[in-house]
Amino acid sequence: QQQVKQSPQSLIVQKGGISIINCAYENTAFDYFPWYQQFPGKGPALLIAIRPDVSEKKEGRFTISFNKSAKQFSLHIMDSQPGDSATYFCAAGYGGADGLTFGKGTHLIIQP
Amino acid sequence: DTGVSQDPRHKITKRGQNVTFRCDPISEHNRLYWYRQTLGQGPEFLTYFQNEAQLEKSRLLSDRFSAERPKGSFSTLEIQRTEQGDSAMYLCASSLGDRVAFFGQGTRLTVV
Repeated sequence: QQQVKQSPQSLIVQKGGISIINCAYENTAFDYFPWYQQFPGKGPALLIAIRPDVSEKKEGRFTISFNKSAKQFSLHIMDSQPGDSATYFCAAGYGGADGLTFGKGTHLIIQP
Repeated sequence: DTGVSQDPRHKITKRGQNVTFRCDPISEHNRLYWYRQTLGQGPEFLTYFQNEAQLEKSRLLSDRFSAERPKGSFSTLEIQRTEQGDSAMYLCASSLGDRVAFFGQGTRLTVV
């Protein structure tokens, strides 16, 4: 049973545009929602994370929007750059206890 | 380098052989996690330790998989009698309590 559904599977955005990746979860016990960025051959690196007591969190060009009632959260990358080209994973967890449940990933390509 | 360190980075083994991977977490981190990542998928949680105690191991993929963290510092993941389906990237992550988990670069296993 896939507990975190991520879309789209792949995404092409022009340089300077906004990249939007969406995730939906099923388990209402989740209380920690991070986004990770992964380059080929590397481990995932944390980009930004949110807890369900806030609806939005912004760090630089990256913003998480969180909708608790819909059990959905999304990543927005503003002013997307070619260096942002990577695979992005959403995840959900229980505040660090136990492991994270990851989505299947979104392969993002930023065209110059 | 004070990040999570994994060794080896790559391992090629013949089917039926045993393999062992090592993970050195960030020094002050008390939690250590193991994940498996197959091509085109997100990381899949396997097990985790708090200090030397293994608090979750029900998601280890089979009884051929085992993990240890004998002194609460480094950890090893062993796969006995490897099968071709074990070919994947094995990722280690560590955290200080329920704070952010940092991933290592992973060990890529190829079973031939």
